[in-house]
Amino acid sequence: AQSVTQPDIHITVSEGASLELRCNYSYGATPYLFWYVQSPGQGLQLLLKYFSGDTLVQGIKGFEAEFKRSQSSFNLRKPSVHWSDAAEYFCAVALRSGNTGKLIFGQGTTLQVKP
Amino acid sequence: KAGVTQTPRYLIKTRGQQVTLSCSPISGHRSVSWYQQTPGQGLQFLFEYFSETQRNKGNFPGRFSGRQFSNSRSEMNVSTLELGDSALYLCASSLAGGQLNTEAFFGQGTRLTVV
Repeated sequence: AQSVTQPDIHITVSEGASLELRCNYSYGATPYLFWYVQSPGQGLQLLLKYFSGDTLVQGIKGFEAEFKRSQSSFNLRKPSVHWSDAAEYFCAVALRSGNTGKLIFGQGTTLQVKP
Repeated sequence: KAGVTQTPRYLIKTRGQQVTLSCSPISGHRSVSWYQQTPGQGLQFLFEYFSETQRNKGNFPGRFSGRQFSNSRSEMNVSTLELGDSALYLCASSLAGGQLNTEAFFGQGTRLTVV
């Protein structure tokens, strides 16, 4: 079945430590790939996206993500986490086929940052 | 330029009532999508509108409906409210959606509580 999986529901890291959030998708063809961040009570902010080309994508707030076709993964990384990064992170995909902008989201990963 | 505006931000309704939520997309954006976010089900796609036409619909009952006006503003309506409809309703706008451009920008959402 078509799906987006974020294996980690909750992650805690120390401020200044590195971060990697995992995302795997299950689709026949490579979809468009996105990472969004949501602060409590707020909407979603786009961190970065992959449409084509370079598989290492740079985003806002110092985040980057790497697309690995062989692993059907699009993991989000940050070399040094700041306390303000505490939020919920969503991986999402949009299908390339069909004329639709529908986004399919993973379950989300809640990031807690320890001082 | 102004972002996606959703009104109202908060709503409390009684079971059996109906509710209308509004979304004003970013100027120039013609595609509007709606999502329901709940702790149990996560982010689920409701429907997508482009140029006043519903282009895609998620797996929700007919009590959920929407429309888009000629200025691209969109409304969604939920009739005969149930307790389970309590959720954060998010609107997203994009230039065109589909294969042309699927980068979606989200509003802050409308928090609906059904009592």
